Amino acid sequence: GDSVTQMEGPVTLSEEAFLTINCTYTATGYPSLFWYVQYPGEGLQLLLKATKADDKGSNKGFEATYRKETTSFHLEKGSVQVSDSAVYFCALIWGVQGAQKLVFGQGTRLTINP
Amino acid sequence: SQTIHQWPATLVQPVGSPLSLECTVEGTSNPNLYWYRQAAGRGLQLLFYSVGIGQISSEVPQNLSASRPQDRQFILSSKKLLLSDSGFYLCALYWQGGAYGYTFGSGTRLTVV
Repeated sequence: GDSVTQMEGPVTLSEEAFLTINCTYTATGYPSLFWYVQYPGEGLQLLLKATKADDKGSNKGFEATYRKETTSFHLEKGSVQVSDSAVYFCALIWGVQGAQKLVFGQGTRLTINP
Repeated sequence: SQTIHQWPATLVQPVGSPLSLECTVEGTSNPNLYWYRQAAGRGLQLLFYSVGIGQISSEVPQNLSASRPQDRQFILSSKKLLLSDSGFYLCALYWQGGAYGYTFGSGTRLTVV
């Protein structure tokens, strides 16, 4: 089945640093791609998504571009804040209509120091 | 909008005891429902999903089972817990009209001792 691989964490950065969290996927066809975020003590929230090749998802200063040629969906932010500290999950949807499954990467814990 | 209620938020159970985690949804009908587990230091693993009442698909062989007795109710169970069942359990729904939107519950942190 389809799968997602994220860069190993944890990642620790200083405030205002540039962030990249790598994500690559293996899929038959062209899945929709997502980044989810889990803030401390909270559930999962959708951060951004892209549904076709070359789409760029963006939200809260984060961006990710669906790269079909490299099967990647790397998450980037130009200047991180302490409030961005969280666990980030890359994910894809696969499956037939009506029985889709959301498949997650292993998650990357991000800590931003002031 | 769709909401998911999961309870309890935390649970400590002895090895060999039974388990029942309940997930109920509001604001939608006939959603796909999912149980995920996040073990310590690991990502989210899909355990079960359901496309309708009484329809359960298992993703991995394990000590757990799932049931969907009503359209908006999804239950995760075990007859005898193992230490390896410890983790963070998340219920999720996917609704066809949601434009790829998955909604997640707040999760249950289970510790088997």
